[in-house]
Amino acid sequence: EAGVAQSPRYKIIEKRQSVAFWCNPISGHATLYWYQQILGQGPKLLIQFQNNGVVDDSQLPKDRFSAERLKGVDSTLKIQPAKLEDSAVYLCASSSWQGSYEQYFGPGTRLTVT
Amino acid sequence: ELKVEQNPLFLSMQEGKNYTIYCNYSTTSDRLYWYRQDPGKSLESLFVLLSNGAVKQEGRLMASLDTKARLSTLHITAAVHDLSATYFCAVEGLYNQGGKLIFGQGTELSVKP
Repeated sequence: EAGVAQSPRYKIIEKRQSVAFWCNPISGHATLYWYQQILGQGPKLLIQFQNNGVVDDSQLPKDRFSAERLKGVDSTLKIQPAKLEDSAVYLCASSSWQGSYEQYFGPGTRLTVT
Repeated sequence: ELKVEQNPLFLSMQEGKNYTIYCNYSTTSDRLYWYRQDPGKSLESLFVLLSNGAVKQEGRLMASLDTKARLSTLHITAAVHDLSATYFCAVEGLYNQGGKLIFGQGTELSVKP
């Protein structure tokens, strides 16, 4: 079974530029999550989708971050404009109810904002 | 608001020794997950604990959950270098939130010969 795919793996941009990340979840997983992991910290949930609807985006900085999940499969996360403090690893995860919502994580995108 | 705290945050162990990582959380939940993260890598699921008293074991790692005390432990037996990594616990929030997880800060484990 293929895992969660993410691209790009690395991205370096200057502040005030825009950037987009892509995620393809495990086939059949209805729930998709985007996390931000700052160096030395645990992941923080940014947004959670159930199929193509948003379940929770309470910690998404909506003035600069946006995300969509068209057709309930792939998802993109965009930052515009980027700030220095957005430097982090952006992790995508997916899950499917199997008695729990055990989440499977992708390899992440390491973003550096200079 | 659900908060999750791990301790210790850093742990340097000698090979062959035993130790325990603690994960405390602030509000009611009966679903807790342990993940491992190697440097520069993503998170790998280790254990899923779904009820009070749940105990899971895999190799030299054993995890348990006490929902009354709001505490989970990850016990390491006879540590080996390959266990060096950062370990995160994550607690599932309120019911019907589709698996929203709150992560602890992580425990960075270093096993030395």
